[in-house]
Amino acid sequence: NAGVTQTPKFQVLKTGQSMTLQCAQDMNHEYMSWYRQDPGMGLRLIHYSVGAGITDQGEVPNGYNVSRSTTEDFPLRLLSAAPSQTSVYFCASSYSTGGLYGYTFGSGTRLTVV
Amino acid sequence: AQSVAQPEDQVNVAEGNPLTVKCTYSVSGNPYLFWYVQYPNRGLQFLLKYITGDNLVKGSYGFEAEFNKSQTSFHLKKPSALVSDSALYFCAVRASGGSYIPTFGRGTSLIVHP
Repeated sequence: NAGVTQTPKFQVLKTGQSMTLQCAQDMNHEYMSWYRQDPGMGLRLIHYSVGAGITDQGEVPNGYNVSRSTTEDFPLRLLSAAPSQTSVYFCASSYSTGGLYGYTFGSGTRLTVV
Repeated sequence: AQSVAQPEDQVNVAEGNPLTVKCTYSVSGNPYLFWYVQYPNRGLQFLLKYITGDNLVKGSYGFEAEFNKSQTSFHLKKPSALVSDSALYFCAVRASGGSYIPTFGRGTSLIVHP
């Protein structure tokens, strides 16, 4: 099925460990983004990309890195995990940056940092 | 700057009754407005959008939303609620034109009682 695929679905990390959250889409969308969802905070934009080779920071970029080597993939890297990064992470994609046709979201990665 | 407020953390309604989930916004110029729904353990799904034209917008699953420019509001409505409508609802806003990225609200939990 066409859509946005995120892996893993669940992850527990120890403080200081690193990991990469994977995101892939098969809709040929130029725009991709990462959000974190925390209770009472809604969705906050971490990083986004408007095409292969182009990335930019969102509202809460500290502690996260991204790269976009292909149109399909947009991984999110945590270099040294901290308990404050415990959250649910969503990847989203769209034909356009502004989401005029709606964003397509993945099913999320629930990350716990202990 | 753009912002969106969802003044109710939770809305309770009996099945068969009409429902309203409130959203107010602030943006420079004309707004583009969106509603998304999130079912438990799933990513967000696009419901509907207002770009221009008729102030009453119809979307998926029988939902509609009314744009009110003077009150800077975009409330989500449904004439007859179903238990299966129970979910988390997010309003989003962006400025028209350009490639602005939408800002999401904190979300409103809708609970429909049998």
